[in-house]
Amino acid sequence: QKEVEQDPGPLSVPEGAIVSLNCTYSNSAFQYFMWYRQYSRKGPELLMYTYSSGNKEDGRFTAQVDKSSKYISLFIRDSQPSDSATYLCAMSVAYNTDKLIFGTGTRLQVFP
Amino acid sequence: NAGVTQTPKFQVLKTGQSMTLQCAQDMNHEYMSWYRQDPGMGLRLIHYSVGAGITDQGEVPNGYNVSRSTTEDFPLRLLSAAPSQTSVYFCASGSPGRHGYTFGSGTRLTVV
Repeated sequence: QKEVEQDPGPLSVPEGAIVSLNCTYSNSAFQYFMWYRQYSRKGPELLMYTYSSGNKEDGRFTAQVDKSSKYISLFIRDSQPSDSATYLCAMSVAYNTDKLIFGTGTRLQVFP
Repeated sequence: NAGVTQTPKFQVLKTGQSMTLQCAQDMNHEYMSWYRQDPGMGLRLIHYSVGAGITDQGEVPNGYNVSRSTTEDFPLRLLSAAPSQTSVYFCASGSPGRHGYTFGSGTRLTVV
């Protein structure tokens, strides 16, 4: 079993829809949770960062962490065709560690 | 400000050949890492470095060598290429936590 599980999709939604992307994990020591966005044939870029449990909002994006359930989510409101990309969750145990564990990524397509 | 620069962008190798993937960053980041990305597997950590002269193994280090003689450069060497090393390789620098990693645009390697 992988430490981080993520549904690969693809997820196809109409423009303006609310998108929910999720990851589950098995290592209860994870404390730092991130979402990266990766456009086709590009490197991943950091989208959201959350420490421990709770919510964090940035524009149309909201990240949620539920450590009791070992479950993290990324919500995208008013989705746009430009949001079409692969979204990867990532997590680590400590702040100053290089051991960043990624999910496999969920491919999202937003159609006009 | 170039960020993280990877060369070459594409490479085809024959089984048994050796080569070096180059990675350079101009952001004075201490942390640098190499990941490989395969379909259905997500990003997997090969080697990482927390500073010049310090390297360590990640999840899938076999068949790869690294060294870090300067803060800016972190080359990845394939000692004897195998078809199983066909992948997209990403170099990243920064911090795994709050500020995240900055990824290069990747090297697409095919071993035949």
